[in-house]
Order: sequence, then C-alpha cells, then structure tokens
Amino acid sequence: DAMVIQNPRYQVTQFGKPVTLSCSQTLNHNVMYWYQQKSSQAPKLLFHYYDKDFNNEADTPDNFQSRRPNTSFCFLDIRSPGLGDAAMYLCATSWGAGQVRGEQFFGPGTRLTVL
Amino acid sequence: GENVEQHPSTLSVQEGDSAVIKCTYSDSASNYFPWYKQELGKGPQLIIDIRSNVGEKKDQRIAVTLNKTAKHFSLHITETQPEDSAVYFCAASSNTDKLIFGTGTRLQVFP
Repeated sequence: DAMVIQNPRYQVTQFGKPVTLSCSQTLNHNVMYWYQQKSSQAPKLLFHYYDKDFNNEADTPDNFQSRRPNTSFCFLDIRSPGLGDAAMYLCATSWGAGQVRGEQFFGPGTRLTVL
Repeated sequence: GENVEQHPSTLSVQEGDSAVIKCTYSDSASNYFPWYKQELGKGPQLIIDIRSNVGEKKDQRIAVTLNKTAKHFSLHITETQPEDSAVYFCAASSNTDKLIFGTGTRLQVFP
C-alpha cells in the first residue's frame, strides 16, 4: 500500500563522507521533490524533477545533487556532508498537470545524522 | 516572493474542544491551499485541501475555509482527540509545482 517509499529511514554518516538517499514511488507521478526539514521548521525545497527536467532552488548548496534515472526512482546525493546537513530529508511526488496539480504526497523521510 | 504566515505557532486544547489554525498568503495568484499533518518522526500527510473556486470544504471533523479577498484560509478541527496532536502546516501554490509552506502549528490535545 506504500506510495512514496524512502530508504533508508535512518542514515548515519561521517563528516565529509558522501551519502545517497533514495526515494521510489508507485503513483506514477511525473514530479518528484526533495525537501530538507530541520527540527520545528517547515520543509525546505531543495530541488524537483518535472519528468526528466531538473529544477534547482537558488539557495540549494552545490553539495546537494540529485538523479532521477526513471519515473519511479529519485536519489539525493550529499557529496560532503557537514554537521549542518543533519536533518530529515523528505521525498514527495505529485502530478504536474490537470485538476489535481499541486497535490504533493510525502514519503516517511530519512533522518540523517552526521558524526 | 510568495510568503505564507501561520498562526498560532502552538495551540493547546482540551479533548472535545475545537481548534482553529489560520494562514495568510501574499500572492494573489495562489489557487491551491493544502493542509498537512506531521506526526513526530514521520512525513507530512495531506489531510485536506481547497482550491480557489470554493470557499469551504469539509471532511468529517476537519474543515477548511478560504477568503480570497482577505487572502487567508483556516483549518478547523472539531471534537478534537488526543490523536490529533501533531504539527500542522498550511501551504499555498499558484499554478506551479511548488508549495510555499507556513511555519507550522504544534497542536496538543489534552485528555
């Protein structure tokens, strides 16, 4: 029944050691998003894919990269994690057109700890 | 750019009472307004949404109202239960694929 799946749910990495978070969806949505959420704050959009078109937010650090090899999967790569990158990372999906445009469905998140 | 303000930041109510959370948006082109509930350690869950062509929408104990003239929308939860305790986020969107989130309201329902 899971619609947006994130793996792993908890990730521990060392300062500067690259890490990859993954997201998959069974909804066949054409838009996939990555958000960063720190404690007691709203989710902050890092980037999103509209089909294969990548859309980066202006204030997303270069340290964050993303890949979308197909409709179902999207990856978040953090090249050199710093202590400030410790957060919950949320993946979301939506239809990019039609009457339901804008409805975003979130995964359970990956809690990243940086030691 | 687009901004969404949300109040209050914390809200405590007795079980059975009603809870109201209010949001104001700045972009008059906004036409989609979802509400998300986020429990501790989980992702946000869409609980109700409204589009600009209606003024009110209800789903059992929750309802959302929209005042386009004043550019504000509200979430109403009636007969609150302890399991309603969570952080609630409002958001707004204007024919784009991006949501602008409010700052969140931590709702606590005491038995």
